[in-house]
Amino acid sequence: SQKIEQNSEALNIQEGKTATLTCNYTNYSPAYLQWYRQDPGRGPVFLLLIRENEKEKRKERLKVTFDTTLKQSLFHITASQPADSATYLCALGDTGNQFYFGTGTSLTVIP
Amino acid sequence: GAVVSQHPSWVICKSGTSVKIECRSLDFQATTMFWYRQFPKQSLMLMATSNEGSKATYEQGVEKDKFLINHASLTLSTLTVTSAHPEDSSFYICSAVGLWPTEAFFGQGTRLTVV
Repeated sequence: SQKIEQNSEALNIQEGKTATLTCNYTNYSPAYLQWYRQDPGRGPVFLLLIRENEKEKRKERLKVTFDTTLKQSLFHITASQPADSATYLCALGDTGNQFYFGTGTSLTVIP
Repeated sequence: GAVVSQHPSWVICKSGTSVKIECRSLDFQATTMFWYRQFPKQSLMLMATSNEGSKATYEQGVEKDKFLINHASLTLSTLTVTSAHPEDSSFYICSAVGLWPTEAFFGQGTRLTVV
């Protein structure tokens, strides 16, 4: 079965720095990959989608890369702010709209 | 963006009773809806996938007779936890998607506590 792993530990960074979160997967060939943000007690909120034939996607301070050879996606938040503190989830999807989520990474941005 | 409404937000029930959770896509037709379960500080665990008008597809280890899913229309799916037990206490979240490829829109989640 597919396996999706994110940063194994919580990530703490200083405000203003760039946060980089990783998503690695095995036994799967996703058609696309997505990143979501989840705050405690709330449902996830969509951030970015990147297709298998795309290498990089940007949205404001967010950047996502997708390397299907390495089976890895990197999620960057530049000029991080305390408000960026949350859990970030990657999700892999296939053409059948089946979604599988990673383990999530808790990010804390320290003022 | 699209809105998915999940109801109730929280519910407390007695052991042995059944609880129904609704998930509605308010401004789009959801071809597929998903139900997830999330334990504290853990990621989302996919329970089942449902397409309108057909039987839900359950993930391995999820009891279909215990977690009844009905997807009667393109805007409504329900999850019924039957004969609930304390170990069923969890955060249940639904999501809905339209035409591929698209992001999933999530409901606000339902906190179920079985006492």
